[in-house]
Amino acid sequence: QVQLQESGPGLVKPSETLSLTCTVSGGSISSYYWSWIRQPPGKGLEWIGYIYYSGSTNYNPSLKSRVTISVDTSKNQFSLKLSSVTAADTAVYYCARHVSKVGAVGRGYFDYWGQGTLVTVSS
Amino acid sequence: QSALTQPRSVSGSPGQSVTISCTGTSSDVGGYNYVSWYQQHPGKAPKLMIYDVSKRPSGVPDRFSGSKSGNTASLTISGLQAEDEADYYCCSYAGSYIYVVFGGGTKLTVL
Repeated sequence: QVQLQESGPGLVKPSETLSLTCTVSGGSISSYYWSWIRQPPGKGLEWIGYIYYSGSTNYNPSLKSRVTISVDTSKNQFSLKLSSVTAADTAVYYCARHVSKVGAVGRGYFDYWGQGTLVTVSS
Repeated sequence: QSALTQPRSVSGSPGQSVTISCTGTSSDVGGYNYVSWYQQHPGKAPKLMIYDVSKRPSGVPDRFSGSKSGNTASLTISGLQAEDEADYYCCSYAGSYIYVVFGGGTKLTVL
């Protein structure tokens, strides 16, 4: 059974960089796309971006200028960095596995999710 | 404002059926058969219920079914049970620039 676990600071100051890591257990990070999705308190889901285990990435155009997603296959982990954060970036951040054919990123679905971690942006 | 439009809330009595709609455009829902549905209980992570418009993952009851007509996808839950009370989100592929869009979510209340 694949399990995902987010980790990182729960409080980030405005204008700083939010950094989170997702550790994948129960399966290899290889041969799948991995994603970050967030949910502001009381609101809906917003896709942030994907990374393939090879390192190729695709980002939500609305966040692209501030987002970096990276992967460490040796640790079975992938990470999110979101720069220049504001209060609007306060949300529960989820990592998830995306199932789609190679080269067909996005043409699929999210089958495994982490439990989510709340990140609050405040001074 | 979410890219896909869902009703804010729906309700039904135990045993009844409810349908949740998800309306997009020809650039997302209407253009591809990559619509998925997620159930989210309070404080929990979303759970995949339907993928590729109408396919059910292993372990999801056959009371849950999905369909699509034009730019609108639908999730139907038959034989409502108390544990079905949750928020439901639709999701669609939206082309090779936007990639993924979610609906705003629908709160299902089992009366």
